[in-house]
Amino acid sequence: AQSVAQPEDQVNVAEGNPLTVKCTYSVSGNPYLFWYVQYPNRGLQFLLKYITGDNLVKGSYGFEAEFNKSQTSFHLKKPSALVSDSALYFCAVRGAINTDKLIFGTGTRLQVFP
Amino acid sequence: EPEVTQTPSHQVTQMGQEVILRCVPISNHLYFYWYRQILGQKVEFLVSFYNNEISEKSEIFDDQFSVERPDGSNFTLKIRSTKLEDSAMYFCASSPDGYSGNTIYFGEGSWLTVV
Repeated sequence: AQSVAQPEDQVNVAEGNPLTVKCTYSVSGNPYLFWYVQYPNRGLQFLLKYITGDNLVKGSYGFEAEFNKSQTSFHLKKPSALVSDSALYFCAVRGAINTDKLIFGTGTRLQVFP
Repeated sequence: EPEVTQTPSHQVTQMGQEVILRCVPISNHLYFYWYRQILGQKVEFLVSFYNNEISEKSEIFDDQFSVERPDGSNFTLKIRSTKLEDSAMYFCASSPDGYSGNTIYFGEGSWLTVV
């Protein structure tokens, strides 16, 4: 069965500092991994995805994520956090085999303090 | 940039009433989805739809739910007889095709409150 774990309910970081939001996954076969961001009272906005190739994926708003197959992780990172990055971040996985389903993690609330 | 649009943004309904949530997927997309997010919980898959039929559905998507593409642009979710536990944010989404590596684009959501 596919699953995604986001071990931190909340991550606090000072503006200008690097941030990491953690995600681990379990899936049969090759994973397709996604990060989405949800601002208050808004929908889910796509940030980035890993399909194949380079393990470091770059996405919107300066975010990047590193795919680590041996650790089954796909952590979201940004070198320098902004207050406007404060939002709810969801990691999601889609198995490559015969499923339409995107399985989401429980979300991590990122709070960036000035 | 093309967007998935949803209406209404918020609906309050009485328990037992029927509700229809509407969506306009991105125009050249072929796969359509509904997901829901109960307050404070994670986003859950409900159903996918392709070529005018359900492609996959979750155990949540029971007989009180149905989906339809009544014309060339709209995609609807009907809840036949709403329950209190149906209160949630419902997200419509679309993707270009069924390839698992495609990005799924979500709308802003329809917040349903059942009283």
